[in-house]
Amino acid sequence: QKEVEQDPGPLSVPEGAIVSLNCTYSNSAFQYFMWYRQYSRKGPELLMYTYSSGNKEDGRFTAQVDKSSKYISLFIRDSQPSDSATYLCAMKRGGADGLTFGKGTHLIIQP
Amino acid sequence: EAGVAQSPRYKIIEKRQSVAFWCNPISGHATLYWYQQILGQGPKLLIQFQNNGVVDDSQLPKDRFSAERLKGVDSTLKIQPAKLEDSAVYLCASSPLSGNTGELFFGEGSRLTVL
Repeated sequence: QKEVEQDPGPLSVPEGAIVSLNCTYSNSAFQYFMWYRQYSRKGPELLMYTYSSGNKEDGRFTAQVDKSSKYISLFIRDSQPSDSATYLCAMKRGGADGLTFGKGTHLIIQP
Repeated sequence: EAGVAQSPRYKIIEKRQSVAFWCNPISGHATLYWYQQILGQGPKLLIQFQNNGVVDDSQLPKDRFSAERLKGVDSTLKIQPAKLEDSAVYLCASSPLSGNTGELFFGEGSRLTVL
């Protein structure tokens, strides 16, 4: 079992739809949870960062962490064609650790 | 503010040849990372530096990969000899300090094709 599982998609939805992206993980020591967005032939860029369990909202994006279920989600409201990208979940135990990434979900927003 | 610079952007080599990638992090960032991203996969950490010291190189295939950050600023990742399975994008990232936030700033990557 991989430490972080993420459905690679592709996930195709019409413009304006609510998008739900998810990851599960097996390492209960993970404390910090992130979502990165990666456009084709570009490096990942940080979208959302959450510590421990709970919700965090930033504009059209909401991140949720459920540590009891080892499950994290990213919701995108009013999706736009410019949201088409690969979304990578990432997590770390803390301190000096590097990030452990999921495979990434390829999202396509149809105009 | 200038971002993370990487070169070359693209490199094609034959197996058993050697290759080197260069990274210049954001000015003042103490922590530098090299990640390997194989097509269809998430980035995998190869090595993490704090200033010019190695923090984590547990996933670096040390028989063929090496990396250095001699003056605590820019860094070089070398592969010798290359194998077909080394075909990937090599991403360099930096962060202000090895702290608890997850914000890594990535470069655009160096895409390696091994024939």
